[in-house]
Amino acid sequence: DQQVKQNSPSLSVQEGRISILNCDYTNSMFDYFLWYKKYPAEGPTFLISISSIKDKNEDGRFTVFLNKSAKHLSLHIVPSQPGDSAVYFCAALGSNYKLTFGKGTLLTVNP
Amino acid sequence: EPEVTQTPSHQVTQMGQEVILRCVPISNHLYFYWYRQILGQKVEFLVSFYNNEISEKSEIFDDQFSVERPDGSNFTLKIRSTKLEDSAMYFCASSARTVTRYEQYFGPGTRLTVT
Repeated sequence: DQQVKQNSPSLSVQEGRISILNCDYTNSMFDYFLWYKKYPAEGPTFLISISSIKDKNEDGRFTVFLNKSAKHLSLHIVPSQPGDSAVYFCAALGSNYKLTFGKGTLLTVNP
Repeated sequence: EPEVTQTPSHQVTQMGQEVILRCVPISNHLYFYWYRQILGQKVEFLVSFYNNEISEKSEIFDDQFSVERPDGSNFTLKIRSTKLEDSAMYFCASSARTVTRYEQYFGPGTRLTVT
């Protein structure tokens, strides 16, 4: 099941720079897209979401962009901080309210 | 800040034994979910629960699995006869009955090890 794909298993950026995490999906029926952050031995923490009828949502340092024609979304973190180092999951929600997750991208922010 | 809690944090059991994983969702939430993550794999949906009944379940959620809300605060996942392949992190999640219902909040997880 590859409905939600995060093709980069890892990303390394310098503190203060922008982190861009990418996600692709195949199911055009998804209604919402969410980003979760996960530290080891913890559950996923909800970060930010976007409705399929929007193309951008911003919350502080986090911005999510949605390109429906390309079935692509991205999470931008500006400026990146060492505490942002974690695994980031993209997830998509359909009408059945079941979340479909990507495999995650490990972000490392270097001081 | 309200949060989802789960107990135990780690459960070790022998194959064929029954286990019950417990969750306390956020108090004003009405939708409840179980997900699992096998080591190295994606987080997978198991089941959703609303108004004391299952709303949706995946093909993973077979007759060996059941869920229950035994009182006003707990939400449990029971595996009747565990198999080695049930070893995974099990996450409980909940969401509110509002326009933000799509925002699911996760607990810290229970690591289930079946030997």
